[in-house]
Amino acid sequence: DVKVTQSSRYLVKRTGEKVFLECVQDMDHENMFWYRQDPGLGLRLIYFSYDVKMKEKGDIPEGYSVSREKKERFSLILESASTNQTSMYLCASSLTGGGWSNQPQHFGDGTRLSIL
Amino acid sequence: GQQVMQIPQYQHVQEGEDFTTYCNSSTTLSNIQWYKQRPGGHPVFLIQLVKSGEVKKQKRLTFQFGEAKKNSSLHITATQTTDVGTYFCAGRKGTYKYIFGTGTRLKVLA
Repeated sequence: DVKVTQSSRYLVKRTGEKVFLECVQDMDHENMFWYRQDPGLGLRLIYFSYDVKMKEKGDIPEGYSVSREKKERFSLILESASTNQTSMYLCASSLTGGGWSNQPQHFGDGTRLSIL
Repeated sequence: GQQVMQIPQYQHVQEGEDFTTYCNSSTTLSNIQWYKQRPGGHPVFLIQLVKSGEVKKQKRLTFQFGEAKKNSSLHITATQTTDVGTYFCAGRKGTYKYIFGTGTRLKVLA
């Protein structure tokens, strides 16, 4: 079974701090994703990566950066945390399917981040 | 930017009633996936639809993809308390990127 592990379930940080959220998957998946989930807004894509050291911006990248130095690990960085970044953060991974068919995304349990 | 809207946002049903959630995109989608998120849990993949007009069934769940590939629906027949959760559609845009819908939260009253 695919396992996507996020480093923290709950995290409390202060405004202006640099925050690191870590995600590790154990199934050799090429693709990894970071989403934030807010009530009424669904899941919004922050960044994704389709290979080591490769990254692409999602829909809401402002205030975030990412790092993928190894295939199994994808880190989300909040450069200078602000209160509007208080949210649930979900990491996901997937294989790359061929043609029109893409593989499903497998999600971690999420990190509930509070910025005070 | 591209949006994928789901309606309704919330739905309360009596156990045994049917339930439907609708997913609408502003642009054509390559394919669409559906996920279920139980309270306190993470989204779990249910199914993927690829072809225009496609219909797939999983026991009491029926999934449809519209002819124009811009909308989709999930219908649950005779809901049970185990169906409680938030249902998300996710439309593929580009090679790797999925746009998730806003979700429909289902409550089932016993």
